[in-house]
Amino acid sequence: KAGVTQTPRYLIKTRGQQVTLSCSPISGHRSVSWYQQTPGQGLQFLFEYFSETQRNKGNFPGRFSGRQFSNSRSEMNVSTLELGDSALYLCASSLDTRLWDRDYEQYFGPGTRLTVT
Amino acid sequence: SQQGEEDPQALSIQEGENATMNCSYKTSINNLQWYRQNSGRGLVHLILIRSNEREKHSGRLRVTLDTSKKSSSLLITASRAADTASYFCATGPSGNTPLVFGKGTRLSVIA
Repeated sequence: KAGVTQTPRYLIKTRGQQVTLSCSPISGHRSVSWYQQTPGQGLQFLFEYFSETQRNKGNFPGRFSGRQFSNSRSEMNVSTLELGDSALYLCASSLDTRLWDRDYEQYFGPGTRLTVT
Repeated sequence: SQQGEEDPQALSIQEGENATMNCSYKTSINNLQWYRQNSGRGLVHLILIRSNEREKHSGRLRVTLDTSKKSSSLLITASRAADTASYFCATGPSGNTPLVFGKGTRLSVIA
């Protein structure tokens, strides 16, 4: 079974531009989560989508948005880029069987390294 | 915000030695997970321990959970150079709380 794929792997953008990152989850996984990882803040949760609906959102400004399509693929968009948005953006998918305690394991993609200059 | 806090932040050991990393968290949990990340890449799930479990094994990994102390530990036995990575604990999800990661422990295993 193919793993989680993210495109592009590397991206260089200029302040003020916008960017769209893509994530294809493992086949059959309906939940997709996005994380931002920086040396200073560590792994920060951005948002989670399940069956095309945003289920959770982290503490990020409105410049960060996302969506999920009917095939579970997800995209996240960052508008008006700032230098501080430079980070590794990780996508993770899970089966999320919706068991009584919502336990699930997340499978991560390799990430998209975004550099804002 | 971080729920889990790993200790130590960095650990350097010789190949063949055991490595122990600790994680403390703040609120009650349903489960706790450990992940590994090789330099600048995606995370790999290692093990999940439920709140009603005290210890779990997977190969050379042993995880313990003490809910009364709100802490967990990850033990890697007979470490190898390939174990060099950052290790993160993560709590959740629960209710509307997503999976929340700690800041990680950087493990270096010297051959």
